[in-house]
Amino acid sequence: GNSVTQMEGPVTLSEEAFLTINCTYTATGYPSLFWYVQYPGEGLQLLLKATKADDKGSNKGFEATYRKETTSFHLEKGSVQVSDSAVYFCALLPSGNTPLVFGKGTRLSVIA
Amino acid sequence: NAGVTQTPKFRVLKTGQSMTLLCAQDMNHEYMYWYRQDPGMGLRLIHYSVGEGTTAKGEVPDGYNVSRLKKQNFLLGLESAAPSQTSVYFCASSYKGLADQETQYFGPGTRLLVL
Repeated sequence: GNSVTQMEGPVTLSEEAFLTINCTYTATGYPSLFWYVQYPGEGLQLLLKATKADDKGSNKGFEATYRKETTSFHLEKGSVQVSDSAVYFCALLPSGNTPLVFGKGTRLSVIA
Repeated sequence: NAGVTQTPKFRVLKTGQSMTLLCAQDMNHEYMYWYRQDPGMGLRLIHYSVGEGTTAKGEVPDGYNVSRLKKQNFLLGLESAAPSQTSVYFCASSYKGLADQETQYFGPGTRLLVL
């Protein structure tokens, strides 16, 4: 079946540190891949996405590359800020008309 | 545009009581979804709808019912609330089709406590 596995949190970093949140997936066919972010007290919002192999999604300094050979979509940012503190969800959209599949989320805390 | 709105924001129920959560979207989206979010479990899909008058079961549908009588509204009902249904509920919506471009837009959530 389709599934997403994310690194467990929480992740605590100092401001300006490098961030990597690992995400791997299992899916048949050619899924699209997403990162959603949930800021405290809010709903989720799309951060970035990639729809085919080797695509790189980017937004707000975050990047993730769709690696079909390693079935991964790791989220990276070169220099995190306190305002990046949130929960990050990796998700995949399977081929066909079926809903998104979310990972369990990774909580990031950035301290000044 | 208000986007996706949810009513109420917070509710306390006693075991066995019933309630309905309302989700409304003003983006003319075909697809709507109800999720629950629990600590360490991520988001789990309860029910979804691919258009007005349609509903389908998600990953954790037991104990919930839904209705999509109008395109802009998606209702989630709890007929007999149980403490296991204590959670934060999120509604989301998305455009129809174009599966590889789908972006879901989420509401702010409803926090439900069942005593």
